[in-house]
Amino acid sequence: GNSVTQMEGPVTLSEEAFLTINCTYTATGYPSLFWYVQYPGEGLQLLLKATKADDKGSNKGFEATYRKETTSFHLEKGSVQVSDSAVYFCALILMDSSYKLIFGSGTRLLVRP
Amino acid sequence: EAGVVQSPRYKIIEKKQPVAFWCNPISGHNTLYWYLQNLGQGPELLIRYENEEAVDDSQLPKDRFSAERLKGVDSTLKIQPAELGDSAVYLCASSPEGAGNTGELFFGEGSRLTVL
Repeated sequence: GNSVTQMEGPVTLSEEAFLTINCTYTATGYPSLFWYVQYPGEGLQLLLKATKADDKGSNKGFEATYRKETTSFHLEKGSVQVSDSAVYFCALILMDSSYKLIFGSGTRLLVRP
Repeated sequence: EAGVVQSPRYKIIEKKQPVAFWCNPISGHNTLYWYLQNLGQGPELLIRYENEEAVDDSQLPKDRFSAERLKGVDSTLKIQPAELGDSAVYLCASSPEGAGNTGELFFGEGSRLTVL
């Protein structure tokens, strides 16, 4: 079946550290890939996306590259801030008739000053 | 622009009681979704509406869950009777027509249900 696997959290970093959150997927077709973020007390919001192999999505200093050969979409940021503390969800959608967004279990990031 | 509005934010009930959640999507968004998020898990789709029509309700436990979207705007999700395992966060999301298949959804803050 179709699924998304994320590294377990929490990930705890000091401010200005480099961030990587791993995400791999299994899909029967050719998915589009997403990272959603949930800040404390807020709803999920789209952070970035990529729709085809080798595409790089980027937003707010975060980047992720669609790697078809490794079925991965790892999230990276060069220098995290305290305000980046949140739960990050990797997700995929297949362009079949269901258009169902499938989420990973989420990774909590804690950034300390 | 107002976002997706959900109410109540928190609800505590005893098992076997009914409960209802309400969602008002972003104005002009034709597609509305209800997702279930268990603790420590990602959201899972319960039902998707295109205007008034439920186009995907395959994951909705129809023995106790029901949903409606009268007039194609706001929506209500009901559980009757609630069970202990229904304790979770119920998320509502919306997207403009044709955008849902791009995966770009706008989520509300969720309704957290605790069943005692």
